[in-house]
Amino acid sequence: AQKITQTQPGMFVQEKEAVTLDCTYDTSDPSYGLFWYKQPSSGEMIFLIYQGSYDQQNATEGRYSLNFQKARKSANLVISASQLGDSAMYFCAVGGKGTYKYIFGTGTRLKVLA
Amino acid sequence: NAGVTQTPKFQVLKTGQSMTLQCAQDMNHEYMSWYRQDPGMGLRLIHYSVGAGITDQGEVPNGYNVSRSTTEDFPLRLLSAAPSQTSVYFCASSPTSGGAGTGELFFGEGSRLTVL
Repeated sequence: AQKITQTQPGMFVQEKEAVTLDCTYDTSDPSYGLFWYKQPSSGEMIFLIYQGSYDQQNATEGRYSLNFQKARKSANLVISASQLGDSAMYFCAVGGKGTYKYIFGTGTRLKVLA
Repeated sequence: NAGVTQTPKFQVLKTGQSMTLQCAQDMNHEYMSWYRQDPGMGLRLIHYSVGAGITDQGEVPNGYNVSRSTTEDFPLRLLSAAPSQTSVYFCASSPTSGGAGTGELFFGEGSRLTVL
């Protein structure tokens, strides 16, 4: 079974500051992938970043980085230099390579303040 | 670039009515799936398919049927709609061939369904 926990229903951050969105996961699959998605108020799902369980380095994509701590089963998303356009819902997801199920967390709503 | 296309975008049904949400992708992805999104619940997997003729249940399959006759299409059928099925539905596909951990999902724009 796979499970994602996002404990922060809502977060505020000041423009230009960094923010960390928490994600912990549980999976019985020894090989898996972790994903973060952004959902703005318009509703579409936007893929942000991917981390494979055997990747040696933390994934980065522009202002997004993933703080992957395998032993703690955490995959926190770090957004640097926040922008007003970063205000959105953020979802963490896990997919086991031995399954075909992607499981999502309940999301964190981020509000960037001017 | 069409990607994943869902129709309709909005639908209102009465309890007991049936309907089909259509999903088509033009990226030749083997993997397709349906999610529902409810406030405070995140996205929950309804059904998924790893190729034509192959489907399986997700976390919340009750009340929904799927079929996969072609690589491109993955319709979701509600046989007898209930108010509890009021939700936003997302179709998603992935090029992954090695399991869910190997490739990201590409989402459609979503379909908002209201059951009265």
